[in-house]
Amino acid sequence: ETGVTQSPTHLIKTRGQQVTLRCSSQSGHNTVSWYQQALGQGPQFIFQYYREEENGRGNFPPRFSGLQFPNYSSELNVNALELDDSALYLCASSLGDSPTDTGELFFGEGSRLTVL
Amino acid sequence: QKEVEQDPGPLSVPEGAIVSLNCTYSNSAFQYFMWYRQYSRKGPELLMYTYSSGNKEDGRFTAQVDKSSKYISLFIRDSQPSDSATYLCAMANFGNEKLTFGTGTRLTIIP
Repeated sequence: ETGVTQSPTHLIKTRGQQVTLRCSSQSGHNTVSWYQQALGQGPQFIFQYYREEENGRGNFPPRFSGLQFPNYSSELNVNALELDDSALYLCASSLGDSPTDTGELFFGEGSRLTVL
Repeated sequence: QKEVEQDPGPLSVPEGAIVSLNCTYSNSAFQYFMWYRQYSRKGPELLMYTYSSGNKEDGRFTAQVDKSSKYISLFIRDSQPSDSATYLCAMANFGNEKLTFGTGTRLTIIP
């Protein structure tokens, strides 16, 4: 167990809809990152939050947004869903300011999103 | 060209064999190198973490980094059926906030 829990585990949406994915990290893990993993691919970095502020963003459009809360929970919101958004969305937390500070990202089991 | 290249496999080897998994990269700024294991329907879990050229050993696993060739490897000795999973290499710049992953290699150990 990594101490990172994600919900929901699976969901199906239709094109154009909006989705919110949730993550709960270990206490004390001030950094949370979100990754998108398409089928047969490695995870792609979406963005990272440190102490409730966005601390870096990958090559994803603005319709991907996030929030981090003081209770070590976080959200990933995706608006105007497209078919290509179908993927496993992974939340990962770490103690430091970046993954390289601590040497370890703790991943959740992911939320599998299907867009029809 | 992708920053990190990894052969997706699949790779099947008999139990007890030595497994070699490899990644190449093009970004000279990468300083930190990791190997993750991902079982089906699970999130990735960290296996090995290195930041310098050379070898690092942990039990049956050895990570090897050659920065001059931009090439990293993971060796698994005495492979077990429980090692069957997808293995992802990942890299990061010093102080960078993101990990760049390879595609992942799907490994099956045949009993």
